[in-house]
Amino acid sequence: EVQLLESGGGLVQLGGSLRLSCAASGFTFSSHAVSWVRQAPGKGLEWISAISVSGTGTYYADSVKGRFIISRDNSKNVLYLQMNSLRAEDTAVYFCAKVVSADYWGQGTLVTVSS
Amino acid sequence: DIQMTQSPSSLSASVGDRVTITCRASQGIRNDLGWYQQKPGKAPKRLIYAASTLQSGVPSRFSGSGSGTEFTLTISSLQPEDFATYYCLQHNSYPITFGQGTRLEIK
Repeated sequence: EVQLLESGGGLVQLGGSLRLSCAASGFTFSSHAVSWVRQAPGKGLEWISAISVSGTGTYYADSVKGRFIISRDNSKNVLYLQMNSLRAEDTAVYFCAKVVSADYWGQGTLVTVSS
Repeated sequence: DIQMTQSPSSLSASVGDRVTITCRASQGIRNDLGWYQQKPGKAPKRLIYAASTLQSGVPSRFSGSGSGTEFTLTISSLQPEDFATYYCLQHNSYPITFGQGTRLEIK
């Protein structure tokens, strides 16, 4: 059974940093590009970042470019999202997901940015 | 960046109705499009991939069509469990983009 399990969410102050993790199992993680998708309270889905199989290719939405860093450790089957300079508008549930050629989603982890 | 314009943003319909949701891409995306259903508090679930291929396990009342810039999701006969929010997603090029969503409500 495919599982993606996010962790690391919580309450953080404006301008602070947080690192999310996503532990993958049940599929060959190292063979797939994976993404982070977020959803602000009561709002739609927003793709924010993806990383290639090897990790050398990284892609970002303009809303997080320069503040967030995606990375992966294929030896541990883990995806990361380092979030810096957090803003109020970054408050959301963050999902790790594979949205191309397959449909795998985690349950999401809530990040709340507070002043 | 490719913009996905989804319409309508909300829709009221009755059980048994046929409904259609549309997504328009700002430039051609071949058939690199998926349709997702999301219920409150849950992760999205893909219904259609490659614009018109039904995801395994998804009821056949769901169908997708289109290519290039115009895409539709059709539900042929609404069931109570279909009342949810629907999104299109393009993965033709980065940044990947979602449509704004269509909230399907019971009339």
